[in-house]
Amino acid sequence: DQQVKQNSPSLSVQEGRISILNCDYTNSMFDYFLWYKKYPAEGPTFLISISSIKDKNEDGRFTVFLNKSAKHLSLHIVPSQPGDSAVYFCAASEEGGKLIFGQGTELSVKP
Amino acid sequence: SAVISQKPSRDICQRGTSLTIQCQVDSQVTMMFWYRQQPGQSLTLIATANQGSEATYESGFVIDKFPISRPNLTFSTLTVSNMSPEDSSIYLCSVSGTNEDTTDTQYFGPGTRLTVL
Repeated sequence: DQQVKQNSPSLSVQEGRISILNCDYTNSMFDYFLWYKKYPAEGPTFLISISSIKDKNEDGRFTVFLNKSAKHLSLHIVPSQPGDSAVYFCAASEEGGKLIFGQGTELSVKP
Repeated sequence: SAVISQKPSRDICQRGTSLTIQCQVDSQVTMMFWYRQQPGQSLTLIATANQGSEATYESGFVIDKFPISRPNLTFSTLTVSNMSPEDSSIYLCSVSGTNEDTTDTQYFGPGTRLTVL
């Protein structure tokens, strides 16, 4: 029973355009959401997070949006760069810090 | 953020043997966790490593198979016991509660790629 879902296994975007990665969750007790980027043969790198009391958090080219009523969050990357090509995981946390990860979306940014 | 190292970075092992993976952090952290990423899968939490007491295991993971130690606030080990080919995975440690970030954000080590023949 997947509590965090990333329904798109892959996404291809042209350099300079916007990349939008989506994530859905089912557990209304989740109160903290995170996005990680992962290159092959490396551990996940933390990108950006959002608390359930907010609906938007921005850090440079990365913005995360949270829609609690729809149990949906998205990561926007603008402008996309070839170096952004990686697998992106969303994760959700409930009190206590345990993270539940989605299946990941492989982003390919083409020059 | 905290610098996290893992040893070994990769290993190839025979079935029936055991491997101990070390996770070292360059500063004291509140929480340490162990995850597994099987081929083509997402990350799954194995257990929370508790300092000075037994680890807290997630459903489907048991202490006899994955004994964990955490003797202090900067170091933990995960042992994969009596290995079978199904244990071939990337094993990752993560930490939260660093000096720079007291939120629940977890930071990951580089991972240990284990292949069991």
